[in-house]
Amino acid sequence: TAGITQAPTSQILAAGRSMTLRCTQDMRHNAMYWYRQDLGLGLRLIHYSNTAGTTGKGEVPDGYSVSRANTDDFPLTLASAVPSQTSVYFCASSEEGEGPYEQYFGPGTRLTVT
Amino acid sequence: GQNIDQPTEMTATEGAIVQINCTYQTSGFNGLFWYQQHAGEAPTFLSYNVLDGLEEKGRFSSFLSRSKGYSYLLLKELQMKDSASYLCAVRDSNYQLIWGAGTKLIIKP
Repeated sequence: TAGITQAPTSQILAAGRSMTLRCTQDMRHNAMYWYRQDLGLGLRLIHYSNTAGTTGKGEVPDGYSVSRANTDDFPLTLASAVPSQTSVYFCASSEEGEGPYEQYFGPGTRLTVT
Repeated sequence: GQNIDQPTEMTATEGAIVQINCTYQTSGFNGLFWYQQHAGEAPTFLSYNVLDGLEEKGRFSSFLSRSKGYSYLLLKELQMKDSASYLCAVRDSNYQLIWGAGTKLIIKP
């Protein structure tokens, strides 16, 4: 089982360009999440989706958009990248609701905006 | 606001025991999670507490006191491979995880 995959592994992007980070899970989890992780800060939630067809804003949504057309895929788009979006991006998935439902993380995408 | 506090860095000796503390102030509480993250890798789940008390899993144990907004992760018989960051996260009233910045644990021989 692949679990959760992300692409690309790393990317250097010129400021002002757009980019889509891909995320796919094969665990049939309803909930999916996008986080960014910066040195000295905790994981910060960008957007989330509790089920296919619905999305919500997290703590730091500005400059990012997501879609959830089906259960497996949850792409994250940067419409016009800025240097402050340089970060490591993690996609995660979990069962939804109460209970010990841990989040499973993809390997991450390291993005540098120049 | 919501806040999770953990020490930034700790050092311990191989074979010893270390306790990593986490205090939290969040809007609602629906469970506390501990994750391990090796450098350059994704976080992986270690433990979950929702009721007060101690949960034991092999060399790792996690404790929760909801009234004090406090948890700790206890690692016994430390091994070099335990060198990693340990992340504390609280699931809030919206069922979203609020994350601490992590504690970098350095194990010395």
